[in-house]
Amino acid sequence: EVQLVESGGGLVQPGGSLRLSCAASGFSFSTYGMYWVRQVPGKGLEYVSSISSIGDSTDYAKSVEGRFTISRDNSKNMLYLQMGSLRVEDMAVYYCAREVISRSDGFNSRFDPWGQGTLVIVSS
Amino acid sequence: DIQMTQSPSSLSASIGDKVIITCRASQSISNYLNWYQQKPGKAPKLVIYVASSLESGVPSRFSGSGSGTDFTLTISSLQPEDIATYYCQQSYTTPTFGQGTKVEVK
Repeated sequence: EVQLVESGGGLVQPGGSLRLSCAASGFSFSTYGMYWVRQVPGKGLEYVSSISSIGDSTDYAKSVEGRFTISRDNSKNMLYLQMGSLRVEDMAVYYCAREVISRSDGFNSRFDPWGQGTLVIVSS
Repeated sequence: DIQMTQSPSSLSASIGDKVIITCRASQSISNYLNWYQQKPGKAPKLVIYVASSLESGVPSRFSGSGSGTDFTLTISSLQPEDIATYYCQQSYTTPTFGQGTKVEVK
């Protein structure tokens, strides 16, 4: 079974740091790009960051660029998000998601599956 | 960034009704459009990809259509298990999502 399991969320003070982890299983992790997407409870979905299958290319939303770092360890089937200088507006459920690309459909990409999410609370 | 606008933001329908949700992109995205279903307290789940392809395991009452800037998600006969919030997402550029459409039972 293809599965993603996040961990590492919790309560952190504004300005603090936190590292999220995402454990992948049931598929060849090293052949897929991976994403972090967040959701403020009761609100919509927001792209946070992405990393290529071998980790040589990363991208960030403007709202987190310079504060967050995405990385992966393909030997351990693990995805990470190092979050620093946290702000109240970073408080959200953070999901990791696998990127599936359809070459037959013009390289359309989609997120499947998603992890169950981990809640980050930024508060003093 | 490409803005995605869904309508309506919420709807109330009876079991068995046909439900249509629309999604409009701020610029043409060809067919680079996906739909997700999210139930309360759960992660989003892929329903439709490439605008009209049904994800494996998703009931055939779900369908998608559109290209360019205008897209629709249709549930042909609403079932109790379809009560959820639905999001469109463009994959033409850096992914962005619609604000969601909450589907409730009348």
